Amino acid sequence: GIQVEQSPPDLILQEGANSTLRCNFSDSVNNLQWFHQNPWGQLINLFYIPSGTKQNGRLSATTVATERYSLLYISSSQTTDSGVYFCAVPNPQGGSEKLVFGKGTKLTVNP
Amino acid sequence: KAGVTQTPRYLIKTRGQQVTLSCSPISGHRSVSWYQQTPGQGLQFLFEYFSETQRNKGNFPGRFSGRQFSNSRSEMNVSTLELGDSALYLCASSVYRGPTDTQYFGPGTRLTVL
Repeated sequence: GIQVEQSPPDLILQEGANSTLRCNFSDSVNNLQWFHQNPWGQLINLFYIPSGTKQNGRLSATTVATERYSLLYISSSQTTDSGVYFCAVPNPQGGSEKLVFGKGTKLTVNP
Repeated sequence: KAGVTQTPRYLIKTRGQQVTLSCSPISGHRSVSWYQQTPGQGLQFLFEYFSETQRNKGNFPGRFSGRQFSNSRSEMNVSTLELGDSALYLCASSVYRGPTDTQYFGPGTRLTVL
């Protein structure tokens, strides 16, 4: 099945810093989602971005489907940005997995 | 529009017991998927239901089962609980447009097996 790799696994920032999170996937996809998991465990939708670039406030994402990667940018980070960021793609073979998740990037933003 | 709701939020069981978790999707969403999250294995797909039928199933033993009702609400059941079943169980719903649909997740049920 499709492989999803995220980097870096851990990231520690000072408040106000910018960061880039990367998601690589091993096969062509027609859907990619970025999620933020808050400290209580809920996965919050950030972007649905199968290709191109989208922005939402301080966050933006770019997916280059032909090169099989996506980037999540966080600018002027805040302590509330802390948590784990996941990217997820569907199994392109329509197999047994609805969404395949990467292992996540754990972001810690210190005041 | 209300989000995905899951009950209960926390649950403590002992080995050998069985447990039922419930998920109510966003109104109008017909697909419900379940995922298990553990520190070691990360987020893993359990199964997906659409129109009361299981469409896809992940690589989990038969102790894990589910169903969907005519109002799209879904339940999952785990029988003969094992310590390794301790996890956060997440439910997601989507309108269902195939692989391109957007998944929306509930807050999860945190299951502890003692």
